[in-house]
Order: sequence, then structure tokens, then C-alpha cells
Amino acid sequence: AQSVTQPDIHITVSEGASLELRCNYSYGATPYLFWYVQSPGQGLQLLLKYFSGDTLVQGIKGFEAEFKRSQSSFNLRKPSVHWSDAAEYFCAVGAGSGGYNKLIFGAGTRLAVHP
Amino acid sequence: EPEVTQTPSHQVTQMGQEVILRCVPISNHLYFYWYRQILGQKVEFLVSFYNNEISEKSEIFDDQFSVERPDGSNFTLKIRSTKLEDSAMYFCASYPGLAGDQETQYFGPGTRLLVL
Repeated sequence: AQSVTQPDIHITVSEGASLELRCNYSYGATPYLFWYVQSPGQGLQLLLKYFSGDTLVQGIKGFEAEFKRSQSSFNLRKPSVHWSDAAEYFCAVGAGSGGYNKLIFGAGTRLAVHP
Repeated sequence: EPEVTQTPSHQVTQMGQEVILRCVPISNHLYFYWYRQILGQKVEFLVSFYNNEISEKSEIFDDQFSVERPDGSNFTLKIRSTKLEDSAMYFCASYPGLAGDQETQYFGPGTRLLVL
């Protein structure tokens, strides 16, 4: 069965520092991968997605993620974090080929940003 | 930009009561979903709906739950007899295209349900 692991429950970084949030997935075929962000009391906003092609994908708000099949990973990165990036970040894999399939989410990583 | 809307934003109910959570998906979208997130836990899939019927449901989605698209615009989740463990944030989502499209699911802001 498909699954997603986000090893880091909480991460704290200083404003302006670089960020990498880890995500490992379990899926037999080429996965559809997503990163969502949830600000306190808010819904889920899509940051970026990977379906196929270039393994480095760019998203909104300056985020990028790299798909590494050999490591079953889809880590999220940002070169310089802003205070407004403090939120919870969820990695998800689609349970099949096609974006219409249900999403399986990781447990999330809560990001705190120090001024 | 079109968005998924959900009402109410918060609902408090007594255990054993019925609740209906409402969603208005993005117009012309074809697939609809409910997910839930118990406080402090991961987002979990409940059910997907396509062509006026359930296409997939999780183990969580037992006989106490039902979904309906009553009028071509709203998409509702009904919990017949709420339990304490139903307390969660419930997210509605919709998906625009056909099965082969490389699109994404668009999520609403959620309804926070508290069962007392």
C-alpha cells in the first residue's frame, strides 16, 4: 500500500536560512507527488506537484522540490525562509496514476521561523 | 480565481446528533472528495464521488457517513449519529478533469466539527 513518511515533526529555522523538509514515499509505479501548506486555521494550499518529466519542480512562494526515484524521496526546499513561511507542510502521494485518485498524506512537518 | 467553499466554518454538536457539512466545489469539476484531519494528526481520505456515485471510500467511511450532490452544485457529507471521535477538520476537495489529466485536487478551507 502507498504511504508517505515525513521524518521531521517540527523544524525551526532562522529567517533567511535555507530549508529542506524531507518526504519519503512508498509506491510501486511512478508516483504523483504533492506538497501542500496549511497555515493556522486555514485550508490546504498546493505548493507544487510532480507527475513526470524534470525531477526538479518549481512551486509557488519560492519553493522547489526534487524527485529522487532511487531514494523514494520528494524533499521540499527553499533557499531563504521568510517569517510568513511558518506553517505546517504536508507531503502527499496520489494513490494511482491520475490526479483524480485519492491523496495519501504524510503526518506533516510544522515549521517555525525565528526572526 | 474559482475556489472551493465550505459551510459552516465551525460546528459544535452533541454526541448522537446528525450533522451535514456543505461544500460548493469549483464549477465544472467532475470529481469530489471529503478528507478529514483529527487535531494533530494527518489528513485522511474519506470518500470520492464521481458521476453521481461513490467511486471509492475508506474504512473510516462507515454506515454513519453518507454523501450527496443534491442539486448539481452542492456536495454534502452527512454524519448520522456523531461520535466524540468524529471531532475533526473536514476538508472538501474537487478535481477538474478527466482521468488522464495531470491536474490537482483543490481543497476548501475546511469545517471544524466538535462533538461534545
